[in-house]
Amino acid sequence: DAGVIQSPRHEVTEMGQEVTLRCKPISGHNSLFWYRQTMMRGLELLIYFNNNVPIDDSGMPEDRFSAKMPNASFSTLKIQPSEPRDSAVYFCASSRGQSKFFGPGTRLTVL
Amino acid sequence: QQQVKQSPQSLIVQKGGISIINCAYENTAFDYFPWYQQFPGKGPALLIAIRPDVSEKKEGRFTISFNKSAKQFSLHIMDSQPGDSATYFCAASLNYQLIWGAGTKLIIKP
Repeated sequence: DAGVIQSPRHEVTEMGQEVTLRCKPISGHNSLFWYRQTMMRGLELLIYFNNNVPIDDSGMPEDRFSAKMPNASFSTLKIQPSEPRDSAVYFCASSRGQSKFFGPGTRLTVL
Repeated sequence: QQQVKQSPQSLIVQKGGISIINCAYENTAFDYFPWYQQFPGKGPALLIAIRPDVSEKKEGRFTISFNKSAKQFSLHIMDSQPGDSATYFCAASLNYQLIWGAGTKLIIKP
């Protein structure tokens, strides 16, 4: 079975540009999470969707960040405009129940 | 109350030895305690998990010991192998929230 799929795996962009990260959750999972991992702050939950509906977006750092889940098999996290402090690894995870399964991540570098 | 304290920060173990990582929590409402293994450049992978009504769970060389009264839980890796070298995270869950430990970088020396 395919796990959580994320694209791109690496993204290098310049400050001010729009960045879109993509995620395909595991089929049959009804919960989707976006996390950010940095050395300083560890793993932070950005947003949680249940049955495609955003339930908790309190972790989204600023209005520059937005996330959508138009259907059960696709989600996007958009940063517009991007800033150097957004540089991190962004993980998508999905679950059905309490066990979360993480994707390989997108390493974002904003110059 | 939402913190999970993990120790040690780093650990070096000889091949074949036992690796032990400890975690402590405060909030007794947590109802699920997973351990994740993360290799460089990869996402965290669920390794093993336990619920607070169980004192021990074993899967292959990995064992979780859970002490509800002390609010502590630990991961034991028996017969540690170089391929176990990774960062290990404990976590505590309530509903959809995962509260993460800070991580332990484990190095297994051949």
